[in-house]
Amino acid sequence: NAGVTQTPKFQVLKTGQSMTLQCAQDMNHEYMSWYRQDPGMGLRLIHYSVGAGITDQGEVPNGYNVSRSTTEDFPLRLLSAAPSQTSVYFCASSQGQGGSEQYFGPGTRLTVT
Amino acid sequence: LAKTTQPISMDSYEGQEVNITCSHNNIATNDYITWYQQFPSQGPRFIIQGYKTKVTNEVASLFIPADRKSSTLSLPRVSLSDTAVYYCLGAESGGSYIPTFGRGTSLIVHP
Repeated sequence: NAGVTQTPKFQVLKTGQSMTLQCAQDMNHEYMSWYRQDPGMGLRLIHYSVGAGITDQGEVPNGYNVSRSTTEDFPLRLLSAAPSQTSVYFCASSQGQGGSEQYFGPGTRLTVT
Repeated sequence: LAKTTQPISMDSYEGQEVNITCSHNNIATNDYITWYQQFPSQGPRFIIQGYKTKVTNEVASLFIPADRKSSTLSLPRVSLSDTAVYYCLGAESGGSYIPTFGRGTSLIVHP
């Protein structure tokens, strides 16, 4: 049981490039979410999904797209990277919403130059 | 979704008991209090959750008074490996949203 996996672990992009951060979970959780964490800050919710085919925006969605074609996978796309998107990105999954326990991946450290 | 307030940072020494208090004055009837721990370069990890009174597991204890306007995470006899950021969340179990994390409390344990 791998839990929540994220790839890549590190990535450097140039401004304007695009890329997809991958997230997968093997716990059959309905709910998945993406957070970003900047130095000295807490985690801010980017997008989340309550099941396959259903996604919604969090508090900082601009510049990011998501889709959820399967229960297991929840990729995050950066269409045109900007230096302001330099951050550590965490994917999480949970059995339910609200106060349900969330399981986090190891994170992807992204630098945009 | 309860708004929570907790200290930005705390310092302690090995072997001491650490209590981190979280204020949540607007907590709703159906909200649970959940604490997460985050080590450097890792994602947060669930520690403990409670509704009221006291909950204890192998990692920590959680005290929630009768009015539920605050809660205290207690870490008994901390070690250097307990150095981490601790987040307090107030959210309804099964509620229709994904909770957000504040800045948390950065705990540094000194030798």
